[in-house]
Amino acid sequence: DVKVTQSSRYLVKRTGEKVFLECVQDMDHENMFWYRQDPGLGLRLIYFSYDVKMKEKGDIPEGYSVSREKKERFSLILESASTNQTSMYLCASSYQSYNSPLHFGNGTRLTVT
Amino acid sequence: EDQVTQSPEALRLQEGESSSLNCSYTVSGLRGLFWYRQDPGKGPEFLFTLYSAGEEKEKERLKATLTKKESFLHITAPKPEDSATYLCAVQARVRGYGGSQGNLIFGKGTKLSVKP
Repeated sequence: DVKVTQSSRYLVKRTGEKVFLECVQDMDHENMFWYRQDPGLGLRLIYFSYDVKMKEKGDIPEGYSVSREKKERFSLILESASTNQTSMYLCASSYQSYNSPLHFGNGTRLTVT
Repeated sequence: EDQVTQSPEALRLQEGESSSLNCSYTVSGLRGLFWYRQDPGKGPEFLFTLYSAGEEKEKERLKATLTKKESFLHITAPKPEDSATYLCAVQARVRGYGGSQGNLIFGKGTKLSVKP
């Protein structure tokens, strides 16, 4: 079975802190994604990566950056956390062929106070 | 603008009471429609992919169908363990890098509760 592992289930950070969310997948998937999920807004794509060191902006990239130095690892960085970034963050991965389904991790619930 | 709308937002059923969830979409060239199940505190779990109108897929008590404008997830004789939020997502014609899924558009989900 595909396993996508997010390093933390819960995080509490203060406004202005730099926050790192880590994600690792074990299926040699080319694509990796970061989404945030908020009540009433659904899943929204922040960034995705289709290869090592490659990245593309999703629908809501403002306030975030990403890093992919190894194929299996994709990091989401909040340069200066703000309260409106309190959310559930979901990492996903997939093969590069189109229509390959996404496999999600179990999420990191981030609270910024 | 590409859009995915799921209805109802919430659905309560008695065990054994069959029903359907709806996912209507407007996209510029559908390449695939996905159904996911999400349990509380977990990430979405992939259920089905549908590619073209008329296609159907089944898994246990779930059956997904697709038309040119919408998809239905039919639940036959549901059990309490089917309680979850069901998400629909569509992949439109690729924008940006070919072959990526950066253009997957999710609906807001239907929260299903099945009472014993």
